[in-house]
Amino acid sequence: AQTVTQSQPEMSVQEAETVTLSCTYDTSENNYYLFWYKQPPSRQMILVIRQEAYKQQNATENRFSVNFQKAAKSFSLKISDSQLGDTAMYFCAFIHFGNEKLTFGTGTRLTIIP
Amino acid sequence: DTEVTQTPKHLVMGMTNKKSLKCEQHMGHRAMYWYKQKAKKPPELMFVYSYEKLSINESVPSRFSPECPNSSLLNLHLHALQPEDSALYLCASSQTGLAGTQYFGPGTRLLVL
Repeated sequence: AQTVTQSQPEMSVQEAETVTLSCTYDTSENNYYLFWYKQPPSRQMILVIRQEAYKQQNATENRFSVNFQKAAKSFSLKISDSQLGDTAMYFCAFIHFGNEKLTFGTGTRLTIIP
Repeated sequence: DTEVTQTPKHLVMGMTNKKSLKCEQHMGHRAMYWYKQKAKKPPELMFVYSYEKLSINESVPSRFSPECPNSSLLNLHLHALQPEDSALYLCASSQTGLAGTQYFGPGTRLLVL
């Protein structure tokens, strides 16, 4: 069974700093997709970034980038120049190709301090 | 445009009531999902409606029943709920049900008294 582990329940950083959220996963499959979702206090789950396992190049979206290490089954999220609006719960998630079930980690609560 | 809408935003109901949650997507997606999320926990998948086929998480009690009137709408009918069913209910859609990226709606906060 696939699992997703986020070992940092809570983190806080000063505004404008860089922060990295960790995520590891376990699977025996070779084709899958990884995601980071953000859930601010407004509750809506917002897609931050997506990575296809077959791509070696790390995905980036503006201030958000990932460090995807397939052999180590690691998928960390780096937020550069953090902003107050980045305060949220961040979930790492995983889905096998051809599957419908998205498996979430337990989440990391990130607080950006002014 | 990645819009998924959900109504109502908040719902309070008694254990004998019947109510429905509504989810609509306007992206032409072929798969829609219902999730239940308790406070400080990740979402848990309840139902998937993909290519006109319904898949059910076997742990979901029968007091929850999904209905898909058309490809852009997915309702969740609630009947005889328990206080432990109080949670945030999230709807999502994806272009395909096969590892497609899921886009979420804003959720319905449900309180069962």
